[in-house]
Amino acid sequence: AQSVSQHNHHVILSEAASLELGCNYSYGGTVNLFWYVQYPGQHLQLLLKYFSGDPLVKGIKGFEAEFIKSKFSFNLRKPSVQWSDTAEYFCAVNARTDKLIFGTGTRLQVFP
Amino acid sequence: DAGVIQSPRHEVTEMGQEVTLRCKPISGHDYLFWYRQTMMRGLELLIYFNNNVPIDDSGMPEDRFSAKMPNASFSTLKIQPSEPRDSAVYFCASSLALLAGANTIYFGEGSWLTVV
Repeated sequence: AQSVSQHNHHVILSEAASLELGCNYSYGGTVNLFWYVQYPGQHLQLLLKYFSGDPLVKGIKGFEAEFIKSKFSFNLRKPSVQWSDTAEYFCAVNARTDKLIFGTGTRLQVFP
Repeated sequence: DAGVIQSPRHEVTEMGQEVTLRCKPISGHDYLFWYRQTMMRGLELLIYFNNNVPIDDSGMPEDRFSAKMPNASFSTLKIQPSEPRDSAVYFCASSLALLAGANTIYFGEGSWLTVV
């Protein structure tokens, strides 16, 4: 069965610091990978997604993620975070089925 | 362009009462998903439909939960009787065709349920 692990449950950064959030999945076949963001009190919004091609995917608001197949990873990065990036971030995997399985999320707090 | 619409946005109910959550997917989307979000368990897929037909309800926690999709533009998630441990945010989401076809799933704003 598909599963997604996000090992960082809570990350605290100062503005302008660099960010990397880990995401690992367990599925040996072809996968589609997603990062969603949930701002306080809001619904989930898509940040970026990977289906095929270039393993380095660029999303909205300066975020990017790199798919490393050998490591079953899809880590999210941003070179310089802003206070407005304070949110919860969810990694999700879809292993060529209709289901999208989410990780438990990483809460990011950015202080000015 | 309207997104996924859920109602109610907030509900507080007493234990033992019936709760009905409603969802209108994006027009033209043929997949509809119900997720539950809690602090302890994160975001769990409860059930999903394709063309109004339930495909996988393995995530539904127990018989107190039921979901229906009588037509392409409406779905309900019902809890009867409700219990305090059902308190959570319930998200409805929809997508166009299969996820395998490089499509994206879109979420509603959630229904915040508190059972006291």
